[in-house]
Amino acid sequence: KQEVTQIPAALSVPEGENLVLNCSFTDSAIYNLQWFRQDPGKGLTSLLLIQSSQREQTSGRLNASLDKSSGRSTLYIAASQPGDSATYLCAVEWRSQGNLIFGKGTKLSVKP
Amino acid sequence: GAGVSQSPSNKVTEKGKDVELRCDPISGHTALYWYRQSLGQGLEFLIYFQGNSAPDKSGLPSDRFSAERTGGSVSTLTIQRTQQEDSAVYLCASSFSGASYNSPLHFGNGTRLTVT
Repeated sequence: KQEVTQIPAALSVPEGENLVLNCSFTDSAIYNLQWFRQDPGKGLTSLLLIQSSQREQTSGRLNASLDKSSGRSTLYIAASQPGDSATYLCAVEWRSQGNLIFGKGTKLSVKP
Repeated sequence: GAGVSQSPSNKVTEKGKDVELRCDPISGHTALYWYRQSLGQGLEFLIYFQGNSAPDKSGLPSDRFSAERTGGSVSTLTIQRTQQEDSAVYLCASSFSGASYNSPLHFGNGTRLTVT
């Protein structure tokens, strides 16, 4: 069964810290992996998409890496800010199916 | 341009009633997805439309759930004879090309369904 797991479920850090969110997945035959952000009462916002042939993607203070062989991805957030507080979800699109499978997310709280 | 639009934003219905949820994808997006998010749970895939191909209905939880996509654009998710366990936020997403084309998904803000 294809599954996506995110650890930790929740994380609280002081403003300014660098942090890493983890995502693991079964079965390395993926098309891509996507990281999303969800604010309370809102839909999801796409942050980064890493294709299966890529190792990492960067956008501003965000850097996502992909290691297919070990079934892992990390989302690195540099110099965290209170506005980064949200739930971060990882989703994988496998070659064998047409939809994305989501992890349950990591709820991040950045304290001023 | 406009993002993915979902209506209504909130829906309260009595157990046993039918409900229709609407999704307007981004213009030009050929792929459309429905997901369900329950309190404390992750996103659960329901159904996926890609162009004129037959939809992938593998995630629909029961035959009370159905979805249509008319003219390759607007989609309606229908839940018949609603049950309390159907209470959740129903999210719609669209993408430019869909599976295998590495297109990011764009989500609407969802419809919060409460079955009393």
